Amino acid sequence: DAKTTQPPSMDCAEGRAANLPCNHSTISGNEYVYWYRQIHSQGPQYIIHGLKNNETNEMASLIITEDRKSSTLILPHATLRDTAVYYCTPQGAQKLVFGQGTRLTINP
Amino acid sequence: GAVVSQHPSRVICKSGTSVKIECRSLDFQATTMFWYRQFPKQSLMLMATSNEGSKATYEQGVEKDKFLINHASLTLSTLTVTSAHPEDSSFYICSASSPSATDTQYFGPGTRLTVL
Repeated sequence: DAKTTQPPSMDCAEGRAANLPCNHSTISGNEYVYWYRQIHSQGPQYIIHGLKNNETNEMASLIITEDRKSSTLILPHATLRDTAVYYCTPQGAQKLVFGQGTRLTINP
Repeated sequence: GAVVSQHPSRVICKSGTSVKIECRSLDFQATTMFWYRQFPKQSLMLMATSNEGSKATYEQGVEKDKFLINHASLTLSTLTVTSAHPEDSSFYICSASSPSATDTQYFGPGTRLTVL
């Protein structure tokens, strides 16, 4: 299973863009990169995923490096409700492997 | 988006009893469902993967006779914790895979199990 490395915690000011990095240098060629977030005592919420190309949806943007060894999740205008633990996880053979994630705190 | 529910949201039981947790995909048919466990301040750990109509595949170290999984339909999977003990107290979360090429998993809200 591919391993991921994320900073344990980050802070961001409300209204600013939050950029969350993830290293997945052992990702296989057919594995997608998935991002989820988990607010305290709730199930994870799907955010976005991608394979090679950058992706954008109503929640966030995903930037994947050309060598696919790392990616960055961008929340363009962070709000207090974006405070959560963010997980980057490759998906291979349907399995998600969750690391420790990044605890993102949005400050007023 | 795809919605997954779990019932109950929290349960307290006595040691030695069995507890059943239900996971339902509300607006899509889930060919595959997953069960995770999360201890306080830790990440999610996959327990097992179940495909509709077949036996579940358990991760290493997860006792299949203790954690019984049934996936009898495309919208319902159940996890039964048999002879529960205090060390089984945890947050149990299910996910269901949407039938698309990328098989995105959508998670339920979780069930908090406390064994006294």
